[in-house]
Amino acid sequence: GQQVMQIPQYQHVQEGEDFTTYCNSSTTLSNIQWYKQRPGGHPVFLIQLVKSGEVKKQKRLTFQFGEAKKNSSLHITATQTTDVGTYFCAPPDNTDKLIFGTGTRLQVFP
Amino acid sequence: DVKVTQSSRYLVKRTGEKVFLECVQDMDHENMFWYRQDPGLGLRLIYFSYDVKMKEKGDIPEGYSVSREKKERFSLILESASTNQTSMYLCASSQPPVWGGMGNEQFFGPGTRLTVL
Repeated sequence: GQQVMQIPQYQHVQEGEDFTTYCNSSTTLSNIQWYKQRPGGHPVFLIQLVKSGEVKKQKRLTFQFGEAKKNSSLHITATQTTDVGTYFCAPPDNTDKLIFGTGTRLQVFP
Repeated sequence: DVKVTQSSRYLVKRTGEKVFLECVQDMDHENMFWYRQDPGLGLRLIYFSYDVKMKEKGDIPEGYSVSREKKERFSLILESASTNQTSMYLCASSQPPVWGGMGNEQFFGPGTRLTVL
């Protein structure tokens, strides 16, 4: 079945450093969603990417969908302590249910 | 403001007990989901429902059942709780995509942390 790998599993950065998490699929994706879960919180939708090669920005966050639509990335520029949390990618399967990646936990040291 | 609520934030039960986890959404969404979240394993889908009285198994349905008698309410039932069901349980809802469209975002409840002793 469809598998989604997300790397790295953990990332510790100094405040101000950049951060990137990668999501890789074994199959071509129709679209992909990204979610953020703060410590002790629940996942919250960030964005959806649909087109091949699509790049979307939300302030310091840049989301990218690969040309082959098999991978995606989230890049945070100049991390802040408010960026702490776990970031999940979530493409749909062939019945429109989401398959959540294992997530990347980001820790930011002030 | 959209809202998904879950009946309890924390729950402690004993092995063998029947456990009910309730989820209510006020967005008139047709789709509802139950996930469990464990460290290092991400979110795993237990059951989902596309409509009232309709249910489908997810990836890990063993030991669980669900009920959806009303559109806004989706209940997860642990028939006989076991220690390996100690976990964080998350409920979510979404609107199905329009025909030919992309899936819509899921809205999550705050979660129920269940401990089975």
